[in-house]
Amino acid sequence: GENVEQHPSTLSVQEGDSAVIKCTYSDSASNYFPWYKQELGKRPQLIIDIRSNVGEKKDQRIAVTLNKTAKHFSLHITETQPEDSAVYFCAASNAGKSTFGDGTTLTVKP
Amino acid sequence: SQTIHQWPATLVQPVGSPLSLECTVEGTSNPNLYWYRQAAGRGLQLLFYSVGIGQISSEVPQNLSASRPQDRQFILSSKKLLLSDSGFYLCAWRGRGAGELFFGEGSRLTVL
Repeated sequence: GENVEQHPSTLSVQEGDSAVIKCTYSDSASNYFPWYKQELGKRPQLIIDIRSNVGEKKDQRIAVTLNKTAKHFSLHITETQPEDSAVYFCAASNAGKSTFGDGTTLTVKP
Repeated sequence: SQTIHQWPATLVQPVGSPLSLECTVEGTSNPNLYWYRQAAGRGLQLLFYSVGIGQISSEVPQNLSASRPQDRQFILSSKKLLLSDSGFYLCAWRGRGAGELFFGEGSRLTVL
């Protein structure tokens, strides 16, 4: 089955700096790669996603890149703000099934 | 609009007791339904998914089971809970052919 590894497990940045979270996946059949943000005690919510036919996608301060050949994808957050502090999960999906990474706890210090 | 309801929100159960968590989706038909478990500080582990009534796929061998008695209802059960069953359980749905998962608010289970 699919295996997703996510790094780093914790990330601390100063407000205004950029944050990068990286994931690798094992199943070349995976074709959809979402990123979810989970605030403390709340449900995960989608923040951005990318499909396998696209190399990069951007939404305001958030961007995702995908390298299908290397089977890795990354989340980039620019101009970080304290409200970006949360746990971020990547996932690799195929045929309706999503396999998640273990999450990255991002702390943005004011 | 679509909504997903999951209950109970929290429960504390003794080892060996039964479990029933329920999830319902409103505002959509024939959704794919999922049960995930999130251990403390860990990612989301897929337990079960269903593409239709009575159709359940199990991802992890364990003492849990799932059922889908109606199109928009998904139930997670156990006959005898283990300490290792403690965790945060999330129900989720996805539209046919869609990518995004929509999660319920979660059920925090503590087995003592």
